[in-house]
Amino acid sequence: QQQVKQSPQSLIVQKGGISIINCAYENTAFDYFPWYQQFPGKGPALLIAIRPDVSEKKEGRFTISFNKSAKQFSLHIMDSQPGDSATYFCAASMSSGGSYIPTFGRGTSLIVHP
Amino acid sequence: SQTIHQWPATLVQPVGSPLSLECTVEGTSNPNLYWYRQAAGRGLQLLFYSVGIGQISSEVPQNLSASRPQDRQFILSSKKLLLSDSGFYLCAWSGKSRGNQPQHFGDGTRLSIL
Repeated sequence: QQQVKQSPQSLIVQKGGISIINCAYENTAFDYFPWYQQFPGKGPALLIAIRPDVSEKKEGRFTISFNKSAKQFSLHIMDSQPGDSATYFCAASMSSGGSYIPTFGRGTSLIVHP
Repeated sequence: SQTIHQWPATLVQPVGSPLSLECTVEGTSNPNLYWYRQAAGRGLQLLFYSVGIGQISSEVPQNLSASRPQDRQFILSSKKLLLSDSGFYLCAWSGKSRGNQPQHFGDGTRLSIL
């Protein structure tokens, strides 16, 4: 069964610190890896995404690192702020075979203390 | 720009009552549409997805059904609600062009069954 394993389940970071969330996948056919950010009472919103032809993508304070050989990818939040406190989901999907269904990780609840 | 609307935002229903949740997308055509359920503090469980009008795929057998009467309208229904149907219901859409596309979520419906 296709799975995306996400860790940690919860994370507490001090303001200004680095938050790191990791995901591992099994299916080598996955070729699109987005991260979503969800605030309480809201739907998840796309934060940043990467394709396996690059090893890193950075947007502001958010960076995805991708290790194709290890089948792992991670989200790094630099200079974490209280406003970053949210639940983060990684996901993976494939473009072949007509599948439109992403596989989501179970989520990480991030709390950034001021 | 594209927008997705879900309503109602909150709903309290007695056990055994019917359910109808509606989702509409604006600003795009022929989207893929999805219904997810999210239990408190948990991940995203895919319930149904649709690649076109009248085309519905069910991921989890249960007390719910979905319909897509129009291109940008997706409806989640139940004839008789169970206590276990409580949760946060999210509608999402994605495009089909050029392989994988991110999902765009609505702000959800909080459903409580009494």
